[in-house]
Amino acid sequence: KNEVEQSPQNLTAQEGEFITINCSYSVGISALHWLQQHPGGGIVSLFMLSSGKKKHGRLIATINIQEKHSSLHITASHPRDSAVYICAVRGEYGNKLVFGAGTILRVKS
Amino acid sequence: NAGVMQNPRHLVRRRGQEARLRCSPMKGHSHVYWYRQLPEEGLKFMVYLQKENIIDESGMPKERFSAEFPKEGPSILRIQQVVRGDSAAYFCASSPRRTDSYEQYFGPGTRLTVT
Repeated sequence: KNEVEQSPQNLTAQEGEFITINCSYSVGISALHWLQQHPGGGIVSLFMLSSGKKKHGRLIATINIQEKHSSLHITASHPRDSAVYICAVRGEYGNKLVFGAGTILRVKS
Repeated sequence: NAGVMQNPRHLVRRRGQEARLRCSPMKGHSHVYWYRQLPEEGLKFMVYLQKENIIDESGMPKERFSAEFPKEGPSILRIQQVVRGDSAAYFCASSPRRTDSYEQYFGPGTRLTVT
């Protein structure tokens, strides 16, 4: 079993829909990251969380440390949100990140 | 403030050649991380370096791969005698310090193709 599991693997949505991507992890962490990667493109850091909730524009990230679970929400989705969304955790000791497999999101107009 | 820079962006090597990938961290950042993304696979940690020190190389293959981050100049990931299985996207990230409160900022990646 991977230390970081994401669901769903693939997600297709209509423009305007509310989207949720989930991430569960099995190890103690000091921080959780949500990253975005466009096809053939680089990686952009969306959020770094250690507790609670963060919001940036139409993106919201939440984390529940007790349940070892985080969600990334996209409100009023748009085709330009189409990308791979990756959850990554940093362990309690050390700085390296352990990544989920990613969620491929496609938003249709 | 320029972001993390990697070059080359694309690199083609024949089997048996050497590949050198360069990463210049953001200004003021003294910690560099290298990650590898194999085709159709997720990202995997390779190595974590501070200037002139390797902090964690637990993700580096035991042979042919080495990394350095000298006092001056970029960090270098070096792959000797490349094989087809080394074809991947290699990303580096940097952070200002080794503490929990600092994000890692990613470069655009180097896509290595071994023919």
